[in-house]
Amino acid sequence: SYELTQPPSLSVSPGQTASITCSGDKLGDRYASWYQQKPGQSPVLVIYQDNKRPSGIPERFSGSNSGNTATLTISGTQAMDEADYYCQAWDSSTAVFGGGTKLTVL
Amino acid sequence: EVQLVESGGGLVKPGGSLRLSCAASGFTFSNAWMSWVRQAPGKGLEWVGQIKSKTDGGTTDYAAPVKGRFTISRDDSRNTLYLQMNSLKTEDTAVYYCTTVRGIAAAWYFDLWGRDTLVTVSS
Repeated sequence: SYELTQPPSLSVSPGQTASITCSGDKLGDRYASWYQQKPGQSPVLVIYQDNKRPSGIPERFSGSNSGNTATLTISGTQAMDEADYYCQAWDSSTAVFGGGTKLTVL
Repeated sequence: EVQLVESGGGLVKPGGSLRLSCAASGFTFSNAWMSWVRQAPGKGLEWVGQIKSKTDGGTTDYAAPVKGRFTISRDDSRNTLYLQMNSLKTEDTAVYYCTTVRGIAAAWYFDLWGRDTLVTVSS
């Protein structure tokens, strides 16, 4: 079965750039989505189809996908961006999520 | 307001059954593909399955761990999505989210998420 691998955690200082990676075999040949989940809340879509931002998502969120790695980049990270982030892709008609990355802003 | 509201969660014994519901509002439910995603306590997101709109065939797909035990259905007249869970196992303990599925082939994504409902499987 297809697997997506994310680093369990990442720390960044306020105002710096956070890059969260998601690795999978030939992931660049698929579309990746990213979801943000804050404690006690439902996930929120932040990036879809590799690099598109839904309405209402700040411009500091961007995405890329090439080779075996998709990357979620948060420019000028703010304290409110502290959350768990999950990548997701499809393997035929099956959705696959990465294990999640806990982003700490300190 | 566009929203999804899950209900039906609770405590059930191993081997038991439970049916979750997800009431949709604020969008044309009959045109939407829908999915269930779950999250075990302290763990990551896990896709459960999805159902296409009747226009697109109304077919279902399931994750391997639930295939043959869980059934996703929809009642477009009630704007409601269902998840029938049978032969429940302790590892099915999780909060369950319903979501809308948008996009094009192989580029689908989970757009709108509900508030979740907790299912606890324990003796």
